[in-house]
Amino acid sequence: AQSVSQHNHHVILSEAASLELGCNYSYGGTVNLFWYVQYPGQHLQLLLKYFSGDPLVKGIKGFEAEFIKSKFSFNLRKPSVQWSDTAEYFCAVKLYGQNFVFGPGTRLSVLP
Amino acid sequence: DTGVSQDPRHKITKRGQNVTFRCDPISEHNRLYWYRQTLGQGPEFLTYFQNEAQLEKSRLLSDRFSAERPKGSFSTLEIQRTEQGDSAMYLCASAPGVNYEQYFGPGTRLTVT
Repeated sequence: AQSVSQHNHHVILSEAASLELGCNYSYGGTVNLFWYVQYPGQHLQLLLKYFSGDPLVKGIKGFEAEFIKSKFSFNLRKPSVQWSDTAEYFCAVKLYGQNFVFGPGTRLSVLP
Repeated sequence: DTGVSQDPRHKITKRGQNVTFRCDPISEHNRLYWYRQTLGQGPEFLTYFQNEAQLEKSRLLSDRFSAERPKGSFSTLEIQRTEQGDSAMYLCASAPGVNYEQYFGPGTRLTVT
């Protein structure tokens, strides 16, 4: 069955620390990859997406992600987190012409 | 604001009652999706529409669930004879096509007592 895994359930960082959230998927075909963020009390918002081309994609608010096809991974990174990055982060994978499959999410808490 | 809207935002109902939720997508989007999200999990796909046609339903969508999208605009999700296990956040999303990112609404939180 198709699946998306996220390595960490809850990550706690201090402000200015670097962030990397893992995402792995189990599909062998062409995929589109996404990271969504859900701030407390808000709806899911797109952070960044990968469709094709440069495997290093940049999103909003200083986030970036790298697609490594050989590792079936799409890890999210940010060099220096802020308290306002406290949120839940969801990786999502979409096979061409099919529907989204979301990972279970990683809760990020940034301490001021 | 021209984003995806959902109504109501919260619904508390007693077991056995029927409930209906509404989703208004972004106006030019022809694809509309319903998801269910429980605590500690990511959204789980339930069903989607392209215009007014319901093209796929997840096995999560039991016979008690029905969704419609008359005229290809807003959509409704009805749950009949609610059970406590139906308690969840029901999310709606829309997209301009099959291979585009989805835009999510704020969700309807259902509590079945």
